[in-house]
Amino acid sequence: SAVISQKPSRDICQRGTSLTIQCQVDSQVTMMFWYRQQPGQSLTLIATANQGSEATYESGFVIDKFPISRPNLTFSTLTVSNMSPEDSSIYLCSVASANEQYFGPGTRLTVT
Amino acid sequence: AQKVTQAQTEISVVEKEDVTLDCVYETRDTTYYLFWYKQPPSGELVFLIRRNSFDEQNEISGRYSWNFQKSTSSFNFTITASQVVDSAVYFCALSTLYNFNKFYFGSGTKLNVKP
Repeated sequence: SAVISQKPSRDICQRGTSLTIQCQVDSQVTMMFWYRQQPGQSLTLIATANQGSEATYESGFVIDKFPISRPNLTFSTLTVSNMSPEDSSIYLCSVASANEQYFGPGTRLTVT
Repeated sequence: AQKVTQAQTEISVVEKEDVTLDCVYETRDTTYYLFWYKQPPSGELVFLIRRNSFDEQNEISGRYSWNFQKSTSSFNFTITASQVVDSAVYFCALSTLYNFNKFYFGSGTKLNVKP
């Protein structure tokens, strides 16, 4: 199994600002993923982050809005840029390990 | 295209009742994987089960059981003798062999178990 931690666990931010969310895994993993869960909604994949290459974004998500870093095999960051109230969501980091997928505890973001 | 439908938005039961959460999926891939996750109020996603498309055996784990039927493209989840701690949102998800790590989630079913 993989144990995932995220920082911050929650934050309240003003519109127009940016927030960087950190994801740390207790083991080396090839693929890391970022999901968004808007209030009362399901999870939507934002992007896949592989170490040593640029992240791959899903339809509807762009790098300028959600830049991602993946400096090593245990760490990734997601930045939510120029935030608006519509960005208020839970952002979850996920990793694939031994044919299973594990999710972090999530970061609850509220944009005012 | 892949799609997961959880038609039940919210279900309320009284403790000790049995409850079944429905999941219907769509995919043209012959090899695929189905999952159930639990999301308690704290927000984290808890893995419950994974099933691959070649394994139609039903599974039981304690009070939890899963019924996989390819003929109806369904992967339903039953909680027997429900408990208040079962209150959570439950998500069904699908991935395929071609892109195992890309999950397609259903919209979730919120289960309220009242004492």
